[in-house]
Amino acid sequence: GAVVSQHPSWVICKSGTSVKIECRSLDFQATTMFWYRQFPKQSLMLMATSNEGSKATYEQGVEKDKFLINHASLTLSTLTVTSAHPEDSSFYICSASRFKGLARSYEQYFGPGTRLTVT
Amino acid sequence: KNEVEQSPQNLTAQEGEFITINCSYSVGISALHWLQQHPGGGIVSLFMLSSGKKKHGRLIATINIQEKHSSLHITASHPRDSAVYICAGYNTDKLIFGTGTRLQVFP
Repeated sequence: GAVVSQHPSWVICKSGTSVKIECRSLDFQATTMFWYRQFPKQSLMLMATSNEGSKATYEQGVEKDKFLINHASLTLSTLTVTSAHPEDSSFYICSASRFKGLARSYEQYFGPGTRLTVT
Repeated sequence: KNEVEQSPQNLTAQEGEFITINCSYSVGISALHWLQQHPGGGIVSLFMLSSGKKKHGRLIATINIQEKHSSLHITASHPRDSAVYICAGYNTDKLIFGTGTRLQVFP
């Protein structure tokens, strides 16, 4: 159980266009989803945290108007990279956590990632 | 200085060797994760622990809360264990990641 999927797994887009990445929890309800980006040979960097039905909380330095996050249901969160530029090329990973009883579990379940290349 | 530090950064081993990866953290954490990332990028959660020791197959993870230190051990290493291993501490509702340890196991 606790499977998280991402779609697409890779995408190539032209500079100036927008790209949407989906993150789904397949067999559980994800109360919180996290979006990360990872540059080559670097660790994951948290971009934002989203709770179902509320606005995402962005980390310092992450432009919320550029990286639009929507968490409309307990099984789906989307990240839209607007007006993409080559410097946005990166590996984007989502993860999800859920409640166990009354408390949110510390477990995070990671998606397989989406490789974005902006030309 | 990173809040979560790992050592070594790179590690090579011969098949069958016993491997240890260390993780030290300087912030308060509720739990610590050990993650495995393969070359394709996908991340697998190996362990989540907040005290003591956990074992799964050839993998063992330990944590010492007082010393703010955790270790991941791999017994009888195999080339398929080659990956990046990342420790991450859970602090105020988010994970703080170490820089990762790149492990290569040669046959």
